[in-house]
Amino acid sequence: DIHLTQSPSFLSASVGDRVTITCRASQVIASYLAWYHQKPGKAPKLLIYGASTLQSGVPSRFSGSGSGTDFTLTISSLQPEDFATYYCQQFSGYPYSFGQGTQLEIK
Amino acid sequence: EVQLIESGGGLVTPGGSLRLSCSATGFNFSAYNMNWVRQAPGKGLEWVSSIDPSGDYVFFADSMRARFTMSRDNTKNSLFLQMNSLSADDTAVYYCARVEITLIRGFITAPHLDHWGQGTLVAVSS
Repeated sequence: DIHLTQSPSFLSASVGDRVTITCRASQVIASYLAWYHQKPGKAPKLLIYGASTLQSGVPSRFSGSGSGTDFTLTISSLQPEDFATYYCQQFSGYPYSFGQGTQLEIK
Repeated sequence: EVQLIESGGGLVTPGGSLRLSCSATGFNFSAYNMNWVRQAPGKGLEWVSSIDPSGDYVFFADSMRARFTMSRDNTKNSLFLQMNSLSADDTAVYYCARVEITLIRGFITAPHLDHWGQGTLVAVSS
């Protein structure tokens, strides 16, 4: 099974900050990675797929990069609505595992 | 508009069974892989299972393979998760999600869960 490790697990930042979350896979997964965020009590929302393709309707301040085993999600300028928990998910092989999550909080 | 609506959650005693349903509207349901994902209270997302458009191919997380069954009825645009031998560890919100597969950079297929239901809560307790 492919294991995904996100870092950091908790992140405190301010509106306007640039933040980066990383996701490391236990084996090569090419570009088969998606990013989601989730707010309390809500379903996850897709942000990025194919490691770097922005989902339609998602603001351009979100970007993804990486391939192989190391991936990053960057938010160029945090907005109040971005404070949420972020997850990566791999689609290289079953089971389609998720990272453990990164909780992004307001400083 | 794509909509996924889960139902069937509730309180069940340990060792019991429950059948979840997911009703799909707004897209050609029979053309898409579908997934179940769960989230225990205060915990992260856990992938549960996947089914292909025909219903012939189903994949499960190791911890659920022996106890859960996933199926679909394309004539009713519905997805199902039959859960048996439930324990407290199965307490979670269960989401159904659509798998979209997009061609990127000309030749790379990129699966992703592009639409999710609102979730249904399964609570296993005596």
